[in-house]
Amino acid sequence: DVKVTQSSRYLVKRTGEKVFLECVQDMDHENMFWYRQDPGLGLRLIYFSYDVKMKEKGDIPEGYSVSREKKERFSLILESASTNQTSMYLCASRLGDMNTEAFFGQGTRLTVV
Amino acid sequence: AQSVAQPEDQVNVAEGNPLTVKCTYSVSGNPYLFWYVQYPNRGLQFLLKYITGDNLVKGSYGFEAEFNKSQTSFHLKKPSALVSDSALYFCAVRDEGGGFKTIFGAGTRLFVKA
Repeated sequence: DVKVTQSSRYLVKRTGEKVFLECVQDMDHENMFWYRQDPGLGLRLIYFSYDVKMKEKGDIPEGYSVSREKKERFSLILESASTNQTSMYLCASRLGDMNTEAFFGQGTRLTVV
Repeated sequence: AQSVAQPEDQVNVAEGNPLTVKCTYSVSGNPYLFWYVQYPNRGLQFLLKYITGDNLVKGSYGFEAEFNKSQTSFHLKKPSALVSDSALYFCAVRDEGGGFKTIFGAGTRLFVKA
């Protein structure tokens, strides 16, 4: 069974903290993605990676960075957490072909206080 | 630019009745269309996709979707709804002009009443 695993289900962090969200996939997928999900806004792409050490900005990259040192792991970093980054964060991966579906992790609900 | 619209925030249907969740899209090239479902406090699960070929696509849990190129729509359907179908449904689109990016709709919450 394919798996995308996010390191935490729930996180509470203080304003100004540096926050790391980890995602691991066991499917040897080339592409990995970080989204945030907010009510009424759907999923918005923060960053994606199409290969190891490669990264591209999505639609809302401000305040975030990413790291992909190994193919199976894609980390999202909040450099200095702010309350407007309180959200559900979803990691996804898929093969590099255009017609393939994505597999999602269970999500991390981050609250910044 | 790619875009996806799910015109209904919420759909209510009685158990046993047919359901439809609407989706329209806009892309510059040939579309790759997807439906995902999200249960409470969970990630998204893939339901079905349209890539090419037959306009009626069948997927998981008895769901199907009809691709209509002239109306640029990809509505999700099920002949007989179950209470367990209650969830948040997302339509998504990708095209070759958009590269790696997939655009998601805002989501439609489906309530199936017993």
